Amino acid sequence: DIQLTQSPSFLSASVGDRVTITCRASQGIRNSLAWYHQKPGKAPYLLIYDASTLKSDVPSRFSGSGSGTEFTLTIRSLQAEDFATYYCQQVNTYPWTFGQGTKVEIK
Amino acid sequence: EDQLVESGGGLVKPGGSLRLSCAASGFAFSVYTMNWFRQAPGRGLEWVSSISSSSESIYYTDSVKGRFTVSRDNAKNSLFLHMNSLRAEDTAVYYCARDYLYYRENSGVAGSWGQGTLVTVSS
Repeated sequence: DIQLTQSPSFLSASVGDRVTITCRASQGIRNSLAWYHQKPGKAPYLLIYDASTLKSDVPSRFSGSGSGTEFTLTIRSLQAEDFATYYCQQVNTYPWTFGQGTKVEIK
Repeated sequence: EDQLVESGGGLVKPGGSLRLSCAASGFAFSVYTMNWFRQAPGRGLEWVSSISSSSESIYYTDSVKGRFTVSRDNAKNSLFLHMNSLRAEDTAVYYCARDYLYYRENSGVAGSWGQGTLVTVSS
């Protein structure tokens, strides 16, 4: 199975900060990567797919980049509603797998 | 607006069975690949199974192969997960989710999710 490792696992930030989360794959996955966030008690929510394509209703402060084995999710100016846990997911090879998550908390 | 509503979760003893259902509305269910994901308490996300729009392609994660069966009824806009030989490690919130893009069968990118149903396997 393809392993995804996110860093950091925990991040403390303030409203307005620029935040970057990295996702590294154990083998090349082209651009077959999605990003989600999840708030406590809620279902995950798709933000980005194909590594850099923003879902149609997601604010433009979110962006994704990368291909192969290294990917990043950037939030340009963190808003209060962005405090959540973020997951990357590879959809290149079955079984689809997720990173362990990055919890973004208020500083 | 897309809506996915799971049901059928509950407490079951090890070795027991459950059938989860997912009722879909607000979109053309029959043209989308559908998925089941799960999340153990306090843990991360895990993909469980996918079924293509026509049920022609079905996939499972290794840990549930031979125990879980995914199916769908396009006439009733419904997705199912039959779970047999349940184990403690199957305890999780189970989510049904729709592929984001209808024209990419089996993409794995989950664009709409239900609220989840909790399955607890314990004696």
